[in-house]
Amino acid sequence: ETGVTQSPTHLIKTRGQQVTLRCSSQSGHNTVSWYQQALGQGPQFIFQYYREEENGRGNFPPRFSGLQFPNYSSELNVNALELDDSALYLCASRRSTGRTDTQYFGPGTRLTVL
Amino acid sequence: AQSVTQLDSQVPVFEEAPVELRCNYSSSVSVYLFWYVQYPNQGLQLLLKYLSGSTLVKGINGFEAEFNKSQTSFHLRKPSVHISDTAEYFCAAQNSGGYQKVTFGTGTKLQVIP
Repeated sequence: ETGVTQSPTHLIKTRGQQVTLRCSSQSGHNTVSWYQQALGQGPQFIFQYYREEENGRGNFPPRFSGLQFPNYSSELNVNALELDDSALYLCASRRSTGRTDTQYFGPGTRLTVL
Repeated sequence: AQSVTQLDSQVPVFEEAPVELRCNYSSSVSVYLFWYVQYPNQGLQLLLKYLSGSTLVKGINGFEAEFNKSQTSFHLRKPSVHISDTAEYFCAAQNSGGYQKVTFGTGTKLQVIP
C-alpha cells in the first residue's frame, strides 16, 4: 500500500466529453504528478503540481489541466476527449524536501473513450 | 533532456532461472534511477532505486540492480525467478534538479514459465 488512492477505477466516456479524475495523496505530500500510460507503453509525464501551483509539464495540450488542493487531494481534467486519450492515468505523490524524493503511485484510473 | 531505453520488450524465462532486464539511459544532467513493477490492472510499485553511493542496489522481492555510469546502464537482475514475478517492469530516470521530472522506459514484460 502506497497511501495514494485514485477514483474512479474505471471510466467510459465518449469523444468530445470532459472528464475529471481524482487522486488522494499521503498527508504531507506537497507534490503530485500525473502520468498517462497508453496500452503497451510506459507512463508519460503530463504535469506536476507543487503547493497548488503547476511547476512542470510534459508534451500534453492545454486541454489537460489540473488542480491541487490543500488537503493533499488533486484532480486531472481533460476536455474535448479524443479516442487517443484512452489510457491508464496514474497519479504519484511525494513530499518535496529539496533533495531526491521517492514518489508513490496510486493504482490508476482506466479511461476508455468511445 | 533525458531518455530511458529498455532493450527487451518481452523476456521469457523458466522458473528458478536467473534473469536480467536491461535498461540504458541518457541525460545531460545527473539523474537518479528507479525500477518499478506493474502487475496486471495495478499501479506501479517501487522495486529499488539508485540515488548515490554503492553502485549495487538491492530491492524488494530479491531483485537487485547495478548502476554503471560509463555504460549508462542500470540493469535489473534476480538470481532465481518465481511465477509470481510475472509482471511488467519499468526503468525510470529522475532529474536531480528542477522539478525532478521522471522519464520512463517502454517496459519489459517478464514471463516466468513453469
